Amino acid sequence: GAVVSQHPSWVICKSGTSVKIECRSLDFQATTMFWYRQFPKQSLMLMATSNEGSKATYEQGVEKDKFLINHASLTLSTLTVTSAHPEDSSFYICSASSGAGTGELFFGEGSRLTVL
Amino acid sequence: GENVEQHPSTLSVQEGDSAVIKCTYSDSASNYFPWYKQELGKRPQLIIDIRSNVGEKKDQRIAVTLNKTAKHFSLHITETQPEDSAVYFCAASSPTSGTYKYIFGTGTRLKVLA
Repeated sequence: GAVVSQHPSWVICKSGTSVKIECRSLDFQATTMFWYRQFPKQSLMLMATSNEGSKATYEQGVEKDKFLINHASLTLSTLTVTSAHPEDSSFYICSASSGAGTGELFFGEGSRLTVL
Repeated sequence: GENVEQHPSTLSVQEGDSAVIKCTYSDSASNYFPWYKQELGKRPQLIIDIRSNVGEKKDQRIAVTLNKTAKHFSLHITETQPEDSAVYFCAASSPTSGTYKYIFGTGTRLKVLA
């Protein structure tokens, strides 16, 4: 299957700093990428849908200015958590589909963010 | 928007028994329904999927059924093995504003007892 790579796999930062997470589709072009947040023992909560060359579409309740998403190319999307606080600590995972909404979603390895 | 409910939240079965996980969705426009298995600390992996024009699909010990009228779909695992222990998520792909969103259920923690 297709490969999605996410980096870094884990990061620890101080409160108030910003953290950037990268998501790359290695062997296919991903017009659309999705960013999810997963709390321990909970489901994957969709944060935003990232479309190449356009602004991301955020889910209700997700702060656009806090979670900056950029999808500059067909193989790279980035999530920047700005001015991180301890409550932003979570597992962030990206995914991409090679199809038009009816194809398999391929997930990155996920990034565990801990904000001190 | 789409809402996906999943039951049960936890499920324990004896090795060799069957396990059934059920999901319901709200958006009648949803047309693709994948199931993912997630082991602790790892990324979700697709185990089976079904499209809206099909009522049932089987892959060895795993099967999925879809009832579009009732808006529910189910995962069936037969002859369960300890390595089937994991968290399983259902999802529905729903078209919205020119693109698609994949909404996940709340997950089922399956434990297969040896």
